[in-house]
Amino acid sequence: DAKTTQPNSMESNEEEPVHLPCNHSTISGTDYIHWYRQLPSQGPEYVIHGLTSNVNNRMASLAIAEDRKSSTLILHRATLRDAAVYYCTLNQAGTALIFGKGTTLSVSS
Amino acid sequence: GAVVSQHPSWVICKSGTSVKIECRSLDFQATTMFWYRQFPKQSLMLMATSNEGSKATYEQGVEKDKFLINHASLTLSTLTVTSAHPEDSSFYICSAPRTSGGYNEQFFGPGTRLTVL
Repeated sequence: DAKTTQPNSMESNEEEPVHLPCNHSTISGTDYIHWYRQLPSQGPEYVIHGLTSNVNNRMASLAIAEDRKSSTLILHRATLRDAAVYYCTLNQAGTALIFGKGTTLSVSS
Repeated sequence: GAVVSQHPSWVICKSGTSVKIECRSLDFQATTMFWYRQFPKQSLMLMATSNEGSKATYEQGVEKDKFLINHASLTLSTLTVTSAHPEDSSFYICSAPRTSGGYNEQFFGPGTRLTVL
């Protein structure tokens, strides 16, 4: 299974941008890059996904390296509600998502 | 957006009893669903893949006779923890993929907290 590496934790202040990195050096050509986040005692919530090109949605932006061996989730203005565990995960269509340890994001007011 | 529900949201049972957890895709059909387990302060661990109309496939180290999975319809998969013991206490989460616009998005249920006394 393709694996990802993320920092254990990151801190941010409210209203500031947050860049969450993810390394996935063994990614294959057909792997999608997904980001999910999880609040305590809840199921994971979809954030964004991409294949090769950078992506934007109402929640975040995803910057994918040209060689696809790394990606960065960008929260443009962090809020207290963005405090969560963020998971970067890879999969091919129809297969299960395999989760690593994720990054615990703390947001201070 | 698509919704996946789980029932119950939490359950407390005595050691030795069996507990059934339901996972439903509410507005789409899912021939495949996935079951995860999450211990406190740990990541989600894939337990098994539930296949509609056929046997589930289990990840290495997951006892198929202990964690019975039935995917009887295109919108329902059940996980039964048989003869539950305190070490089975965990947060169980299911997910179901739906294809939209060529992309296969996974939708997760809210999870079921199992506590075995």
